Amino acid sequence: KAGVTQTPRYLIKTRGQQVTLSCSPISGHRSVSWYQQTPGQGLQFLFEYFSETQRNKGNFPGRFSGRQFSNSRSEMNVSTLELGDSALYLCASAPGNYGYTFGSGTRLTVV
Amino acid sequence: ELKVEQNPLFLSMQEGKNYTIYCNYSTTSDRLYWYRQDPGKSLESLFVLLSNGAVKQEGRLMASLDTKARLSTLHITAAVHDLSATYFCAVEISRDMNRDDKIIFGKGTRLHILP
Repeated sequence: KAGVTQTPRYLIKTRGQQVTLSCSPISGHRSVSWYQQTPGQGLQFLFEYFSETQRNKGNFPGRFSGRQFSNSRSEMNVSTLELGDSALYLCASAPGNYGYTFGSGTRLTVV
Repeated sequence: ELKVEQNPLFLSMQEGKNYTIYCNYSTTSDRLYWYRQDPGKSLESLFVLLSNGAVKQEGRLMASLDTKARLSTLHITAAVHDLSATYFCAVEISRDMNRDDKIIFGKGTRLHILP
């Protein structure tokens, strides 16, 4: 059974640019959550989507946004990139409310 | 405030030794996870603990859960160098608690096993 797939694996962007990350959940999973991991802040929750609707949102600025498509695939967008946005971005999928499986992550470097 | 506290945060140990990582959490939880993370990589699920008294073992790792004490342990038996990684515990909060973050992670325990 295929796992959670995140693309791209690595990304380098310049300050001020925007970026879109993609997450394909496990087949049949309807919930997709996004996390940011940095050495200083650890793992922080960004948002969760369920059946194309944002169900929860963490404490991040409006530059961070996301969406979910009818096939449950999700995208995360960060606009006006800052150096501090450099991080490993992880998405996790779940069938419903519980049981999260994480993808391999996208390593974003902002220069 | 909901917290998940791991200790120790750093652990350097010799191969062949036994050790335990502790995870305390401050709220009721539906599930507790242990993850392993290698440098630059994602989180690899090790164990999911669902109920009080749950014990799971995989190779040299054994995890247990005491929901009354709100404590989980990850025990390493006869450590080998390949187990060097960062280990996270994570607590899954019931959706009924009306919180935004449904999984709260500990800060992680960086384990370094010396050959």
